[in-house]
Amino acid sequence: DTEVTQTPKHLVMGMTNKKSLKCEQHMGHRAMYWYKQKAKKPPELMFVYSYEKLSINESVPSRFSPECPNSSLLNLHLHALQPEDSALYLCASSQDARREQFFGPGTRLTVL
Amino acid sequence: KQEVTQIPAALSVPEGENLVLNCSFTDSAIYNLQWFRQDPGKGLTSLLLIQSSQREQTSGRLNASLDKSSGRSTLYIAASQPGDSATYLCAVRPEIQGAQKLVFGQGTRLTINP
Repeated sequence: DTEVTQTPKHLVMGMTNKKSLKCEQHMGHRAMYWYKQKAKKPPELMFVYSYEKLSINESVPSRFSPECPNSSLLNLHLHALQPEDSALYLCASSQDARREQFFGPGTRLTVL
Repeated sequence: KQEVTQIPAALSVPEGENLVLNCSFTDSAIYNLQWFRQDPGKGLTSLLLIQSSQREQTSGRLNASLDKSSGRSTLYIAASQPGDSATYLCAVRPEIQGAQKLVFGQGTRLTINP
């Protein structure tokens, strides 16, 4: 099973809301990633977790807060977002941080 | 700094044609290269992964080649079908110790006309 799942599929939130994106994989992968993708652009890496520890933070604003509760789950907590944060948020996983990456279907986020 | 370029940005061909998508990268020190397809508004689907020691990988009608020394990879699609219409992205993983990042190209938007 090479599936990464993400919930919700769509999310609309106001600038004062707090919400969370969830990502799950059951492939035994030990590296998990959050990407942000704007229209007609490639994905931009936000965070990397390796063996449940944050290993890369690509200077992402603190209104985005990642969490890795266990080896199968990855969350992205959102607070006080801006309209320019509207994008497709993609989760990915790999066996380790140098192996083939598998992506989830994404969460389409709209910030009003 | 590694940079990845995909040319052309868009390509439209009639159904049934064989076609080649190009990917070039500026630093030959890579660990592997991965090709993805992305349908509009969807996630990325991994098509092929080529390790730096490999020259090519095949999956069905797809064949990806890698020439690390010249900084080039190609994705060959045989007997194209309308269902192949999508954006194709290549991404390299630098060979820097501990490198965990993929460096993506801008993608080629492919349209197969029935």
